[in-house]
Amino acid sequence: KAGVTQTPRYLIKTRGQQVTLSCSPISGHRSVSWYQQTPGQGLQFLFEYFSETQRNKGNFPGRFSGRQFSNSRSEMNVSTLELGDSALYLCASSFLQGNEQFFGPGTRLTVL
Amino acid sequence: DQQVKQNSPSLSVQEGRISILNCDYTNSMFDYFLWYKKYPAEGPTFLISISSIKDKNEDGRFTVFLNKSAKHLSLHIVPSQPGDSAVYFCAAMSSNSGGSNYKLTFGKGTLLTVNP
Repeated sequence: KAGVTQTPRYLIKTRGQQVTLSCSPISGHRSVSWYQQTPGQGLQFLFEYFSETQRNKGNFPGRFSGRQFSNSRSEMNVSTLELGDSALYLCASSFLQGNEQFFGPGTRLTVL
Repeated sequence: DQQVKQNSPSLSVQEGRISILNCDYTNSMFDYFLWYKKYPAEGPTFLISISSIKDKNEDGRFTVFLNKSAKHLSLHIVPSQPGDSAVYFCAAMSSNSGGSNYKLTFGKGTLLTVNP
């Protein structure tokens, strides 16, 4: 069974631009969560989607948004990029909400 | 307010010895705890978990202990191997929130180095 895939793996953007990251969960998994990892803050929860609905949201500004499609694939969008948005963005999927989460390799975003 | 704390940013042990990684939490609603291992350039990998109805869970070389009264858990790796060198994250969640709070709260991680 294929694992969680994330595209692109690396991305370089400049301040003010927007970016869209993609996540394909493990086949059959319906819950997708997004996390931001930075050296100083560890992994911080962004949001969780289940059955195309955002079920849970972390403490991030509205510039961070996401969505989930009917095939459970998810996208995350960050608008008006700031230097501090440089981080590793991780997607995790689980069969149901509350199950163990399986992580993808992440997308390394660098904002210049 | 950090609800899950891993107070040791790094730990170094000799191969064959025991590694003990510690984690403290403050939210009494947390009732399910997980440990993840992360290598550079990879996503975290689930290692072991424990429910609050237990105080110990063992899987091969890995054992997690939970002390609910102290709001403390620890991961024991014995014997430690050089391949165990990675960042270890402790995570916690509340499973009784009716689906409204199924999010993992992570600690900042502990870098374990196992020296040959």
